Amino acid sequence: QKEVEQDPGPLSVPEGAIVSLNCTYSNSAFQYFMWYRQYSRKGPELLMYTYSSGNKEDGRFTAQVDKSSKYISLFIRDSQPSDSATYLCAMKSEGGSEKLVFGKGTKLTVNP
Amino acid sequence: NAGVTQTPKFQVLKTGQSMTLQCAQDMNHNSMYWYRQDPGMGLRLIYYSASEGTTDKGEVPNGYNVSRLNKREFSLRLESAAPSQTSVYFCASNSDRTYSNQPQHFGDGTRLSIL
Repeated sequence: QKEVEQDPGPLSVPEGAIVSLNCTYSNSAFQYFMWYRQYSRKGPELLMYTYSSGNKEDGRFTAQVDKSSKYISLFIRDSQPSDSATYLCAMKSEGGSEKLVFGKGTKLTVNP
Repeated sequence: NAGVTQTPKFQVLKTGQSMTLQCAQDMNHNSMYWYRQDPGMGLRLIYYSASEGTTDKGEVPNGYNVSRLNKREFSLRLESAAPSQTSVYFCASNSDRTYSNQPQHFGDGTRLSIL
């Protein structure tokens, strides 16, 4: 079983839709959870960073972590065409020497 | 605010040629990383440098060497390029402390094709 699983999509939604992006993981030691957004021909850009379980909200974006289910989600409300990108989840264990483990990314298209 | 800067942005090499990819960050970060990104494979760590003067292998180090030139700069060298090294290479950095849990910040990548 891979450490981090992420559905690659592609996912296509109409403008204004609520988008749900998800990752599952197998390593119960993961404590730090991130979502990156990557536009075409650009580097990953940090969107959300959470520690342990719970929710975090930033504007139209909400990150959820359910450690009991080993499941993390990113919700995008009122999606916009500018949200069209690939979304990568990433996570790591406690201890700075532990490496960041990435999902393979979900490609999202928001249609006007 | 430049963040992480990578040069060049694009490069085409012939098999067997050598090349150095450059990376510089202006955030006073201690730790720097090199990744490659391939379709269907995600981001894979090649090498990292937890602090100035140290480097360590990541998941896929074969065929690469690195140099942490100073705190700002971390270069990746391909001594004898192979077609399997065709990829997009990303440099990242994080934290002003060694061994931090802070998220990494990425450059915009070098797109490398080896014929």
